[in-house]
Amino acid sequence: DTEVTQTPKHLVMGMTNKKSLKCEQHMGHRAMYWYKQKAKKPPELMFVYSYEKLSINESVPSRFSPECPNSSLLNLHLHALQPEDSALYLCASSQDWGQGGPQAFFGQGTRLTVV
Amino acid sequence: EDKVVQSPLSLVVHEGDTVTLNCSYEVTNFRSLLWYKQEKKAPTFLFMLTSSGIEKKSGRLSSILDKKELFSILNITATQTGDSAIYLCAVPPNFGNEKLTFGTGTRLTIIP
Repeated sequence: DTEVTQTPKHLVMGMTNKKSLKCEQHMGHRAMYWYKQKAKKPPELMFVYSYEKLSINESVPSRFSPECPNSSLLNLHLHALQPEDSALYLCASSQDWGQGGPQAFFGQGTRLTVV
Repeated sequence: EDKVVQSPLSLVVHEGDTVTLNCSYEVTNFRSLLWYKQEKKAPTFLFMLTSSGIEKKSGRLSSILDKKELFSILNITATQTGDSAIYLCAVPPNFGNEKLTFGTGTRLTIIP
C-alpha cells in the first residue's frame, strides 16, 4: 500500500463552521505534512509531524489546528476560516531521513471552499 | 534562507519536442533534490538526486544534478500531451529537519 488517503475530496464550509480534514497512510512513514496550495502556486508547507509530535509550524494562523492521533493518521481541524483560506489542502508522508531525504508521497488533496 | 528557483515558469511546446526544465538552489547542508510532477491534484514523485553527475532515468524522463553549480535539470524527450503538468523541485534542508519546501514550479503545456 503506497497510498496517502485524504477525506473529504471536496469541502464547502461557512465562516462560522467547524470541520476537519483527515489523512491516513499505512506505509510506516514517520513524518506527515500538511500543505496548502493556491491556484497556480506551489504547495506551501503548513505543518510537519515527526514521530507523532509537531516539529514544524510555519506560522500558521490558529484557526488551523493539526492533530496526529497516531502514526498513521493526521487531522487538520478548521474553525472560523476566511474566504481567502479556500485552497487545495495536501497531506503527505515520508520515510525516515536515513533514506537521503523526505521522499514525500502525497494524497489527492481536499479542495476547500470557504463561503 | 534556503531558496529554490525554477525556470522557466511556463513552457509551451509541440508534441514530440524535447524540453529541459531547470531548478537552481541555495541551501545549507545539501542532502538531496527531489522532482515532482503535479497534474490535477497530488504531486507525484519522479526522482531523488543525491550525487552530482549521475543521471537518473525513467522512460522518457531523466534528471541530473550539479552540486558544484547548484542546479538540476529535468529532461523530457519525445513529449506527449500526458506530460502536460506542473513540475516541481524541492530541496530538503539539513539532516533531521523534515521541512520540504517547493520551488516555484514550471508549468509545461504540450500541444498536440
